[in-house]
Amino acid sequence: DVKVTQSSRYLVKRTGEKVFLECVQDMDHENMFWYRQDPGLGLRLIYFSYDVKMKEKGDIPEGYSVSREKKERFSLILESASTNQTSMYLCASRRTGEAFFGQGTRLTVV
Amino acid sequence: KQEVTQIPAALSVPEGENLVLNCSFTDSAIYNLQWFRQDPGKGLTSLLLIQSSQREQTSGRLNASLDKSSGRSTLYIAASQPGDSATYLCAVDSSASKIIFGSGTRLSIRP
Repeated sequence: DVKVTQSSRYLVKRTGEKVFLECVQDMDHENMFWYRQDPGLGLRLIYFSYDVKMKEKGDIPEGYSVSREKKERFSLILESASTNQTSMYLCASRRTGEAFFGQGTRLTVV
Repeated sequence: KQEVTQIPAALSVPEGENLVLNCSFTDSAIYNLQWFRQDPGKGLTSLLLIQSSQREQTSGRLNASLDKSSGRSTLYIAASQPGDSATYLCAVDSSASKIIFGSGTRLSIRP
């Protein structure tokens, strides 16, 4: 079975902190994604990566950056966390068809 | 721009009923459509993937259909059980990289 693992289920960070969310997949997938999910807004794409060191902005990249140094790992970075980045963050990976998601990270910025 | 809509936003039915969840999309040029299940506070679990060349896919009590020309997909759940209670999301893949999600249908099965 494909496994997508996010490093934390719950995180609490202070405003202004630099925050790293890590995602690892074990199926050699080329494509990896970061979404955030908010009530009433659904899932919104932040960034995606189609290969090592390759990345593209999604619909809401402001305030975020990403890193993909190895194929299996895709990191989301909040450069300076703000309260409006409190959300559920979901990582996904796939080759070309079926997408697989991690368990989600509930981030609270206080 | 591709838009995905799921109606209704919430649905409550008694246990044992068969039910249909609906998904519509605005651009018929898609690669595939995927149905997911999400339990509260959890990630998404893939249920079914329908390639653009397929009309339907089945897994156990679940059957998903796809009509690209009309921009519609349905997820049929047979003999519903309380454990089926969750939010169901459909997602459309209309480019090599981007997956667009509907807002989901929150399903509650009453014992």
